[in-house]
Amino acid sequence: SAVISQKPSRDICQRGTSLTIQCQVDSQVTMMFWYRQQPGQSLTLIATANQGSEATYESGFVIDKFPISRPNLTFSTLTVSNMSPEDSSIYLCSVDRTGGGTQYFGPGTRLLVL
Amino acid sequence: SQQGEEDPQALSIQEGENATMNCSYKTSINNLQWYRQNSGRGLVHLILIRSNEREKHSGRLRVTLDTSKKSSSLLITASRAADTASYFCATDFQGAQKLVFGQGTRLTINP
Repeated sequence: SAVISQKPSRDICQRGTSLTIQCQVDSQVTMMFWYRQQPGQSLTLIATANQGSEATYESGFVIDKFPISRPNLTFSTLTVSNMSPEDSSIYLCSVDRTGGGTQYFGPGTRLLVL
Repeated sequence: SQQGEEDPQALSIQEGENATMNCSYKTSINNLQWYRQNSGRGLVHLILIRSNEREKHSGRLRVTLDTSKKSSSLLITASRAADTASYFCATDFQGAQKLVFGQGTRLTINP
């Protein structure tokens, strides 16, 4: 398994502002993933973040709204920009340490936008 | 959408009973995984079954995979109150490492 931490664990933000979520892994990993889980819903992949290259975004998600940084092999950030109440969700990062398909998830960041 | 479907959406049983959840998906896969999520927290990986496997066990968990029907089931035997959680299946796709999650089953174990 992998030890993954996220900061902040939760936040309440005003509409129009931005929040940056941090994801720290206890070992070097090639691929990191960012997911969104809207209230009562399943997880939806936002983007895949590889170190040294631009993140790959899924349909419906754009870099201007969800910019991602991946400065090294143990750290990534996701920014939720110009927030609206519809952005209220749990945001989770995950890693695939071995490339075998199993992903290990961080504890999530619970975001409420007022 | 390539997202899988799970049924039932919610399941409530008595402690000690067995719980069965089902997952269907739409395209060919390399593997299928099951995850557990307690009260909107992070996901915990339970088990991974590869496309060339038909059944896999881990403790009280039994997973089956039928690639001809594009379906999987998760059986939890002798359920406990601590098994109360949401359970998600997730599939990847040949050549892709990203996961696509099903809608999940909310399992409640009544003492």
